[in-house]
Amino acid sequence: AQSVSQHNHHVILSEAASLELGCNYSYGGTVNLFWYVQYPGQHLQLLLKYFSGDPLVKGIKGFEAEFIKSKFSFNLRKPSVQWSDTAEYFCAVIRGDKIIFGKGTRLHILP
Amino acid sequence: KAGVTQTPRYLIKTRGQQVTLSCSPISGHRSVSWYQQTPGQGLQFLFEYFSETQRNKGNFPGRFSGRQFSNSRSEMNVSTLELGDSALYLCASSLAGGYNQPQHFGDGTRLSIL
Repeated sequence: AQSVSQHNHHVILSEAASLELGCNYSYGGTVNLFWYVQYPGQHLQLLLKYFSGDPLVKGIKGFEAEFIKSKFSFNLRKPSVQWSDTAEYFCAVIRGDKIIFGKGTRLHILP
Repeated sequence: KAGVTQTPRYLIKTRGQQVTLSCSPISGHRSVSWYQQTPGQGLQFLFEYFSETQRNKGNFPGRFSGRQFSNSRSEMNVSTLELGDSALYLCASSLAGGYNQPQHFGDGTRLSIL
């Protein structure tokens, strides 16, 4: 079955630590990729997206993601996290007219 | 510019009842998508409406239906409610159909089935 996997369901880090959240998908061919974030008490919002071109995508708030086609991955990274990055992060894949979300990763940053 | 508005914010129903949720998109947005969010399954796509027509549909039973009005406002209906329908239902709007433009999400309607 087609799926989007986020390997870590819950991640706890200290401030200034580096972050990498994994996202793998099981589709071949052309895909569009997104990362969404949901801060506590707020609605889902787009963090970054990849459609084509440079596989290293810069998003808001210092986040970036790298599309590695050979590994079917689109991992989210941030070199130094802040307490305000505490949120739930969702990877999503568009293939054709379907959007599939991962189950999310809850990130908790310790002050 | 007002964001996506979903009403009601919270709803409690019992098994067998039906429910209607409402979503008002951002002004000018013509595409409205609905999602179900649960701890176990995460975020799952229900359907998308564009210009009053259902364009895409996820893998949900026929008990889940929707419609879109000429002003782009959308409603989602769930009939014969089951315990497993307890979830946060999110609505998202975008300017046009497809996913090339970012979707703007509402705060959701939390539906609890007793």
